[in-house]
Amino acid sequence: GENVEQHPSTLSVQEGDSAVIKCTYSDSASNYFPWYKQELGKRPQLIIDIRSNVGEKKDQRIAVTLNKTAKHFSLHITETQPEDSAVYFCAASIGGGGNKLTFGTGTQLKVEL
Amino acid sequence: GAVVSQHPSWVICKSGTSVKIECRSLDFQATTMFWYRQFPKQSLMLMATSNEGSKATYEQGVEKDKFLINHASLTLSTLTVTSAHPEDSSFYICSARGTTGSATYYNEQFFGPGTRLTVL
Repeated sequence: GENVEQHPSTLSVQEGDSAVIKCTYSDSASNYFPWYKQELGKRPQLIIDIRSNVGEKKDQRIAVTLNKTAKHFSLHITETQPEDSAVYFCAASIGGGGNKLTFGTGTQLKVEL
Repeated sequence: GAVVSQHPSWVICKSGTSVKIECRSLDFQATTMFWYRQFPKQSLMLMATSNEGSKATYEQGVEKDKFLINHASLTLSTLTVTSAHPEDSSFYICSARGTTGSATYYNEQFFGPGTRLTVL
């Protein structure tokens, strides 16, 4: 089955700096890669996603890049703010977000003032 | 739109008892619901996939006789943890996927708020 690895497990940045979280996947059939933000004790929230026919996608301060050949994708957050502090999970699936998702191990992002 | 609720939000029970958790899609019909378990500071691990009107598909290593899943309607799936033990204490999260009639609800999973289970 699919295996998704995520790094780093914790990330601390100063407010205004950029944060980058990286994930690798094992199944070349995976073609949908969402990113979720989860605050303590809350549900995961989809923040951005990318499909395998696209190399990069951007939404305001958040961007995701995908390298299909290397089987890795990354989340980029620019101009970080304290409210960006949360746990971020990458995931992979075959066929889209409505299908079975395999999650990465998570990254605890802390944005310090 | 695309609201998923869970009930209860938290539950404390004694070892050996059974606990039922409900997952409801409030404003859309969900043909598929997923059940995840999340231990503290860990990732979401898929336990099973349930499709309305059929038996759930369990992930490897998940005991189907211990975690009973019922998806009897297009808006409700239940997870029953039978003979719960302290090691079953976890955060249980469901997600729902809509019918093929709506691309918005079909191509994304909408997560419930989770249920915190503590077994004493």
